[in-house]
Amino acid sequence: DARVTQTPRHKVTEMGQEVTMRCQPILGHNTVFWYRQTMMQGLELLAYFRNRAPLDDSGMPKDRFSAEMPDATLATLKIQPSEPRDSAVYFCASGPDRENTEAFFGQGTRLTVV
Amino acid sequence: AQKVTQAQTEISVVEKEDVTLDCVYETRDTTYYLFWYKQPPSGELVFLIRRNSFDEQNEISGRYSWNFQKSTSSFNFTITASQVVDSAVYFCALSDINTGTASKLTFGTGTRLQVTL
Repeated sequence: DARVTQTPRHKVTEMGQEVTMRCQPILGHNTVFWYRQTMMQGLELLAYFRNRAPLDDSGMPKDRFSAEMPDATLATLKIQPSEPRDSAVYFCASGPDRENTEAFFGQGTRLTVV
Repeated sequence: AQKVTQAQTEISVVEKEDVTLDCVYETRDTTYYLFWYKQPPSGELVFLIRRNSFDEQNEISGRYSWNFQKSTSSFNFTITASQVVDSAVYFCALSDINTGTASKLTFGTGTRLQVTL
């Protein structure tokens, strides 16, 4: 049963600390997306990759957020330093590189910055 | 710019009632995909349906049905004979296929459906 795996599922951290969220996309999927869900903004795209190359990270605060794909089986989203306003659920999604498909979402990482 | 509007923030129904969730979208693309996702209280996003902009046939899957009308830019979702397990937040989403994949999505704000006994 192929699925997108995200770790950790929950993270509580203090303001100023570095946070790293990880995502294992479905094997064979070469597009990977990071979405953030908050009460105020809803679901918004932060960044996405194709074949491990970042194509669009315009939705991401550049000064503190970074997204990478060290290899085809791992995508990371880092926040340094974290702030209380970063508290949200972060979803990773992956999909095949074609039009007629849907994004497959992980279960999300619930981040709380205190 | 793409936009998805779900005007209904929250809907409450009694079990067995039918309920329709509205979705209106804006795009300049001639080819696009529309989606519905369900987010139950557990928090994951569950894919329900994908619809190509060239296919305006309505679709039925069990108690779920979807009405796509290009003329009004709407893609509404109806649950027939609702059940308590249908309680969730439902998101309508629009793809940006200029990326070459339908997975880059613009989401609506969601409609919270509460089904009570």
